[in-house]
Amino acid sequence: GQQVMQIPQYQHVQEGEDFTTYCNSSTTLSNIQWYKQRPGGHPVFLIQLVKSGEVKKQKRLTFQFGEAKKNSSLHITATQTTDVGTYFCAGLRLISSNTGKLIFGQGTTLQVKP
Amino acid sequence: DTEVTQTPKHLVMGMTNKKSLKCEQHMGHRAMYWYKQKAKKPPELMFVYSYEKLSINESVPSRFSPECPNSSLLNLHLHALQPEDSALYLCASSQEFRRVSYNEQFFGPGTRLTVL
Repeated sequence: GQQVMQIPQYQHVQEGEDFTTYCNSSTTLSNIQWYKQRPGGHPVFLIQLVKSGEVKKQKRLTFQFGEAKKNSSLHITATQTTDVGTYFCAGLRLISSNTGKLIFGQGTTLQVKP
Repeated sequence: DTEVTQTPKHLVMGMTNKKSLKCEQHMGHRAMYWYKQKAKKPPELMFVYSYEKLSINESVPSRFSPECPNSSLLNLHLHALQPEDSALYLCASSQEFRRVSYNEQFFGPGTRLTVL
């Protein structure tokens, strides 16, 4: 079945260092979404990429969607302790015009040392 | 109101009990989901309701029974669960599927379930 692979599984950085997590799908995605889950919390939507080659920025976060719509990345510049959490990518698989599901990557857990 | 609410926050039940989890959203979303999440794992899809009809069942055991009484409410009825069913159960909603740009999911805080 369709899979979304995400690496690395864990990343420990010093505050101020950059961080990147990568996702790769076995098939073309309708769109890709990114979620952040803080320890003890629930996933919170960050952004959605729909177009081939799309790049979006949110302050220190940069999201990219590959030209073939099979891979994506999230880059955080100058990490802060508030960035701690698990970042999930999720590819949308449309089953029909009325339903579909997100295929989640395994997540990357980010720890930031102050 | 951009919130998905879930009750209860915590639930402890025995293997012979019957209980229900409840989820509510008032964003006018027409797609609602149940996920199961184990520690250090991604959410695992269980069910999808689209326009109040069950559209996806990810081969979930029959001891989990979903119900969508109306477009704002989603229930998950639990019966004869096993200890391995202990997990965080998340409800989510999204606008619709007809346009791929409108599918961001809003998650509720979850119900932490322990089966003894």
